[in-house]
Amino acid sequence: ETGVTQTPRHLVMGMTNKKSLKCEQHLGHNAMYWYKQSAKKPLELMFVYSLEERVENNSVPSRFSPECPNSSHLFLHLHTLQPEDSALYLCASSQEVAVDEQYFGPGTRLTVT
Amino acid sequence: AQKVTQAQTEISVVEKEDVTLDCVYETRDTTYYLFWYKQPPSGELVFLIRRNSFDEQNEISGRYSWNFQKSTSSFNFTITASQVVDSAVYFCALSEERWAGGSQGNLIFGKGTKLSVKP
Repeated sequence: ETGVTQTPRHLVMGMTNKKSLKCEQHLGHNAMYWYKQSAKKPLELMFVYSLEERVENNSVPSRFSPECPNSSHLFLHLHTLQPEDSALYLCASSQEVAVDEQYFGPGTRLTVT
Repeated sequence: AQKVTQAQTEISVVEKEDVTLDCVYETRDTTYYLFWYKQPPSGELVFLIRRNSFDEQNEISGRYSWNFQKSTSSFNFTITASQVVDSAVYFCALSEERWAGGSQGNLIFGKGTKLSVKP
């Protein structure tokens, strides 16, 4: 595998379900990010991790819970989501936070029913 | 405050035409970074270019060129002799190298410009 991978690519879940999104980067980067992309809204940064430490939480509801067990893996745990949480969730990584270009995964298309 | 404006929501051109995508940014910092990304219909954002605030040289990469002008806070992107494969949404983004109330690491994206290149 190369670059940034995300699984699953598509996910349909009910409002009472619990699921997790997985992201893995094979670039040796130190920083990882979660973004949300909804229709007609700009890309929204959700969480930033630098060397497994969370450095940014952009007022994201607690029904989204990130986890970064090591610098190569990032998870987004989902529970009791709302229909408005349906979106494309993108993971990215960069060598260092803020100053370096970010490389994105293909995204997980989430539909909450 | 940080802000990135891409005033063109959608642009449609015919193949082989040149097209310029505009990007205007706002920042209080003297050290910042500007980026362009391409998002084809498949959804994955592809990194195109990174520019720091101290380097105002224009850059050319094949059919792509970028014009960075600090005087007008603009970082415009031109595709020469456009092709159908250039059809995508293009995002301009800004990042500041500082810590200020938790803004470190915050890459601010514009709303994107959807480019359609017709054969």
